[in-house]
Amino acid sequence: EAGVTQFPSHSVIEKGQTVTLRCDPISGHDNLYWYRRVMGKEIKFLLHFVKESKQDESGMPNNRFLAERTGGTYSTLKVQPAELEDSGVYFCASSQDNRVTGELFFGEGSRLTVL
Amino acid sequence: AQKITQTQPGMFVQEKEAVTLDCTYDTSDQSYGLFWYKQPSSGEMIFLIYQGSYDEQNATEGRYSLNFQKARKSANLVISASQLGDSAMYFCAMRRSGTYKYIFGTGTRLKVLA
Repeated sequence: EAGVTQFPSHSVIEKGQTVTLRCDPISGHDNLYWYRRVMGKEIKFLLHFVKESKQDESGMPNNRFLAERTGGTYSTLKVQPAELEDSGVYFCASSQDNRVTGELFFGEGSRLTVL
Repeated sequence: AQKITQTQPGMFVQEKEAVTLDCTYDTSDQSYGLFWYKQPSSGEMIFLIYQGSYDEQNATEGRYSLNFQKARKSANLVISASQLGDSAMYFCAMRRSGTYKYIFGTGTRLKVLA
């Protein structure tokens, strides 16, 4: 069974450009999450999808970030226009259920470098 | 406010020895879950162990055990018989019951020495 896959693994862009990150969750997982880790800091929650619906987007930094999950399968996270402080590793995770014991299955992350 | 604190940015341990990675948490909730994840150099976050706030016994998974001290709000990860492959970043996380949001600490980088 394939795990959570993310693309690209690393993206280097200029300030002001646009980047789109993609996440393919584990098949059958309704819950999909985006997290971000800025260098040396904690991993912070960005948002949560249940199927195609945004359940919680309280962690989205600002309106330069747009996440979608059309059809409830893969998700995209677009940053437009990118700023220097957006640099970090963006993790996608999925889970099958909403039990408190439910572990998250993470992808390998997409490293974004904004110059 | 919910918070996870990992005070050890880096740790060294000799191969075959045990090591404890510290984690303290702050919450006013009664029901919550505590998790440890491992992040090797490949980048993927790997689930290691889970402890529920109402679990009376410490969780164990193979060489991993969680030293849960509820009154002190600590959930330290103990790795016994360290192996070179244990070298990685380790994250402590908490999830409140009824929510989907995980709160992570800043992580501890563990290096196992041969």
